[in-house]
Amino acid sequence: QSVLTQPPSMSGAPGQRVTISCTGGGSNIGAGYDVHWYQQVPGTAPKLLIYANSNRPSGVPDRFSGSKSGTSASLVITGLQAEDEADYFCQSFDISLSGVFGGGTKLTVL
Amino acid sequence: QVQLEQAGAEVKKPGSSVTVSCKASGGTLSGHAINWVRQAPGQGLEWVGGIFPVFGTPTYAPSFKGRVTIHSDESTDTAHMVVDNLRSEDTAIYYCARGRPHGNTWYVALDVWGQGTLVSVSP
Repeated sequence: QSVLTQPPSMSGAPGQRVTISCTGGGSNIGAGYDVHWYQQVPGTAPKLLIYANSNRPSGVPDRFSGSKSGTSASLVITGLQAEDEADYFCQSFDISLSGVFGGGTKLTVL
Repeated sequence: QVQLEQAGAEVKKPGSSVTVSCKASGGTLSGHAINWVRQAPGQGLEWVGGIFPVFGTPTYAPSFKGRVTIHSDESTDTAHMVVDNLRSEDTAIYYCARGRPHGNTWYVALDVWGQGTLVSVSP
């Protein structure tokens, strides 16, 4: 049971918009800790996609965006492409000074 | 471009210990947060622990406290994680990851990852 809750799977057709949610609580996201998002293609290490709620590292397409409100955060992918098929994880921290992850969302591009 | 180098695999017996190391090349770990994350086969990511420059000591996830020790060696720019009393449920890929500085916050994102070390625990 992960501390942060994500939908286990989502799908979309090429060109569509997909929103992946990440729900936490008052001791983590709601306590003011930033949310970060990672993309993981099976068999490879995770890759940072969004940091500090809404910031994109250089090289990440602007089709990816993030936001945070209250005890939740969202990752939005617009103009879905076949190469976006991967697992997506949200991450934050907790007042116990521990990191916490979401269970991951498997995104399928139809 | 900094890279984090990890050994490929370790095979251990239940009850034994394993040390997973993470060496920086093309850059440094010094001054950065260093996190350890594990991923069991077919499962999601699990935060194990980390060293944050702002704190005096490493912090650990509650489920790993007392069984995991994290430390770094600045002279070799290498981070180490020791897991004691291994059990079959510890079979996983263990990743080290470096924190991306962001203002004065300590709860930073992980922007450089090692390729992972597969630790297999089997009788």
